[in-house]
Amino acid sequence: EPEVTQTPSHQVTQMGQEVILRCVPISNHLYFYWYRQILGQKVEFLVSFYNNEISEKSEIFDDQFSVERPDGSNFTLKIRSTKLEDSAMYFCASGGGPEETQYFGPGTRLLVL
Amino acid sequence: GQNIDQPTEMTATEGAIVQINCTYQTSGFNGLFWYQQHAGEAPTFLSYNVLDGLEEKGRFSSFLSRSKGYSYLLLKELQMKDSASYLCAVVSGGYNKLIFGAGTRLAVHP
Repeated sequence: EPEVTQTPSHQVTQMGQEVILRCVPISNHLYFYWYRQILGQKVEFLVSFYNNEISEKSEIFDDQFSVERPDGSNFTLKIRSTKLEDSAMYFCASGGGPEETQYFGPGTRLLVL
Repeated sequence: GQNIDQPTEMTATEGAIVQINCTYQTSGFNGLFWYQQHAGEAPTFLSYNVLDGLEEKGRFSSFLSRSKGYSYLLLKELQMKDSASYLCAVVSGGYNKLIFGAGTRLAVHP
């Protein structure tokens, strides 16, 4: 069964450093998303991506964040200068379209020290 | 505004039935998902409702009333492995972002 994959599974970084989180969505999906979940809190929407551009973003997704689909398979989230409060689990998700299920990847646990 | 409410915790006995409720008030509504999440893991899809009524899928059923802003997830024949958090998520906006509730942590006891 096709699945969303993410790398790395864990990332530890120093405050102020840049990190890139990688995702490979399900191959025939057209809609891509990043969500985050701070420990003990709810899953929060960050950004959606469709047709090679950002389609919607939340207030969390400020100028420190960017997304890219550099080739036909990868979908990346970059945090330019990490802060302590960026420590969270980051989930990538993909979906085939409206009224279709969004499938989540296993997540990247980011710890900013 | 966006508001999705679910109970924080529930407990139930193995073999029993449990109903987890979700009420929502969101600025847009394109459907409602239920996901299961074990600690430290990703949400996994359980069910999707876009029209009013009951959707049944094995031991799991989900109900939606759009006029009442209400959904529930029904789990039958509970097993120990059903101990997890259950997340209610409303689909909103033209690109189907998910707005999640805080989740209901279900503990199944022998």
